[in-house]
Amino acid sequence: DAGVIQSPRHEVTEMGQEVTLRCKPISGHDYLFWYRQTMMQGLELLVYFNNKAVMDDSGMPKDRFSAKMPNASFSTLKIQPSEPRDSAVYFCASTSGAFNYGYTFGSGTRLTVV
Amino acid sequence: RKEVEQDPGPFNVPEGATVAFNCTYSNSASQSFFWYRQDCRKEPKLLMSVYSSGNEDGRFTAQLNRASQYISLLIRDSKLSDSATYLCVVNGDSSYKLIFGSGTRLLVRP
Repeated sequence: DAGVIQSPRHEVTEMGQEVTLRCKPISGHDYLFWYRQTMMQGLELLVYFNNKAVMDDSGMPKDRFSAKMPNASFSTLKIQPSEPRDSAVYFCASTSGAFNYGYTFGSGTRLTVV
Repeated sequence: RKEVEQDPGPFNVPEGATVAFNCTYSNSASQSFFWYRQDCRKEPKLLMSVYSSGNEDGRFTAQLNRASQYISLLIRDSKLSDSATYLCVVNGDSSYKLIFGSGTRLLVRP
């Protein structure tokens, strides 16, 4: 199994531009999570899906962030317009119903907004 | 109050030492508990689940105290390769929603 795959690994963009982060979960995992990690805030849950449906997006700034999961093997997190305070590492994670195994994380996307 | 609190450290210990980390959580209804390890500039990786009766995995021992709402991780015979940040993780208001502590940094020196 290739694990959770995220792209791009690094993204540098100018303030005001649109940014799209991508994630492919582990095959068979029906839960997908987007986290953001900064030095100040640690790991924050932005949104999570179960069977492609949004279950909780209370941690996501709705004015500029949107998350979609059009099929079981692909999810996107979009930021429009991006701001310098969005600079962080964005992790995608997935899990199945056998929850005692916790989550498996992707390698993350390091976003820098200048 | 944060949902999951940890001492940020760093804990600086010599090789071979025993070191313990504690973590407290605020939601008394939490049912799932984990320790994750995160190396610098890498993703978090599951170290071990924490069970009510306590559990051990090689040099690592995890304990759960539900009455006091804290979780501990004990590392015996520390190795240089144990240097990392250790994240305490607890489920939130949904079984599948995990809340991560800010992490405790461990440095093991030769």
